[in-house]
Amino acid sequence: DTAVSQTPKYLVTQMGNDKSIKCEQNLGHDTMYWYKQDSKKFLKIMFSYNNKELIINETVPNRFSPKSPDKAHLNLHINSLELGDSAVYFCASSRGGLAGLGVQYFGAGTRLSVL
Amino acid sequence: RKEVEQDPGPFNVPEGATVAFNCTYSNSASQSFFWYRQDCRKEPKLLMSVYSSGNEDGRFTAQLNRASQYISLLIRDSKLSDSATYLCVVMKLNAGNMLTFGGGTRLMVKP
Repeated sequence: DTAVSQTPKYLVTQMGNDKSIKCEQNLGHDTMYWYKQDSKKFLKIMFSYNNKELIINETVPNRFSPKSPDKAHLNLHINSLELGDSAVYFCASSRGGLAGLGVQYFGAGTRLSVL
Repeated sequence: RKEVEQDPGPFNVPEGATVAFNCTYSNSASQSFFWYRQDCRKEPKLLMSVYSSGNEDGRFTAQLNRASQYISLLIRDSKLSDSATYLCVVMKLNAGNMLTFGGGTRLMVKP
């Protein structure tokens, strides 16, 4: 069973469109994250949610809106897609508290190409 | 200056070689340190945590020098399957478990 699953795996779309990426974890973790990995391979945190509440928002444009309907899901909606949004987006999760420090489990990634 | 710096490589080594990667971090508030591994077109996976006294996991040894803000990873007896990108990761406490990743060092182990 996949621990952290995200869909779709590939997403090709036109500039200006709105798209969503879904993420689910079956590990019973309290905290979920979205990361962006650009063409230079730098992996940067975008958002973090703990028990459905936003705890980190790293100066991401407000075209990006995360939504956590429950602690097992963290979806990412992107409005008015731009060329610079092309990247691989990774969802991750971790346990809360000291036990989860630094140990994050990543989904397989969603490759977004904006044309 | 990036918060976590690594030599991007690639490091091309023969099987059986010993190879070392270094990483420096700029934020002295960083409290926890890790090495993650990312295979080509795959997700990052935790390789090992880095403890102040240094720690070993099989062929892998991690060291931390807080005074110099420097972390290292040593791989002994390299295997073909070690070929991957190794990501140095730091975390500040009380920052929502937020990880800051280095750009990674690419290792290619050749037969």
